[in-house]
Amino acid sequence: QLQLQESGPGLVKPSETLSLTCTVSGGSISSSSYYWGWIRQPPGKVLEWIGSIYYSGGTYYNPSLKSRVTISVDTSKNQFSLKLSSVTAADTAVYYCARLEAPNRCSSTSCYTLYWYFDLWGRGTLVTVSS
Amino acid sequence: QTVVTQEPSFSVSPGGTVTLTCGLSSGSVSTSYYPSWYQQTPGQAPRTLIYSTNTRSSGVPDRFSGSILGNKAALTITGAQADDESDYYCVLYMGSGMMVFGGGTKLTVL
Repeated sequence: QLQLQESGPGLVKPSETLSLTCTVSGGSISSSSYYWGWIRQPPGKVLEWIGSIYYSGGTYYNPSLKSRVTISVDTSKNQFSLKLSSVTAADTAVYYCARLEAPNRCSSTSCYTLYWYFDLWGRGTLVTVSS
Repeated sequence: QTVVTQEPSFSVSPGGTVTLTCGLSSGSVSTSYYPSWYQQTPGQAPRTLIYSTNTRSSGVPDRFSGSILGNKAALTITGAQADDESDYYCVLYMGSGMMVFGGGTKLTVL
């Protein structure tokens, strides 16, 4: 059964870069029907999508975070990673990695995605931004 | 910027039926937004309930159902149980790979 596990420092200083890795086990990250995403949740607040990546490297980012976010993938390690630069206390949150199912259906002339949703979640990791 | 709206809180009696909704600050929610629903209890990761408007995720009991009601996506819980007391989030696909979470609904069962 496929599982996702977040890892990385639990404490980051203001103005530095937050770096997290999600390790995918029990299955391959190189699947055509899935993207891999990061979601965060500040303490007591709501969930926020950060961005998603395809195994080939294509990315989508939340416009509100785009200038500070980089998501990358390492298929040889079955991992994908998040970097968030210039962090402040407002970036303190539980960070989740998740699998985003987005299967395609193709005709002879075109393809379209049947649906998009987060079907598997990691347990989450708390990152605190503090000096 | 488009905001996905949900009721901040809702209460239901045990055994009762409740419908939570997911709307847009501008415009109507349709199946083209592929609405999905997630349940979250404190300290836990979200659990996927419904995707593509009305398809239940594996293992989700059939008392959870999704639909489009008017101009909103809806999650209906029929025969509410005590352990349904959770936060519920909807997510809409906004195009170009962008996913947007609603503000969540805190459901109380009492």
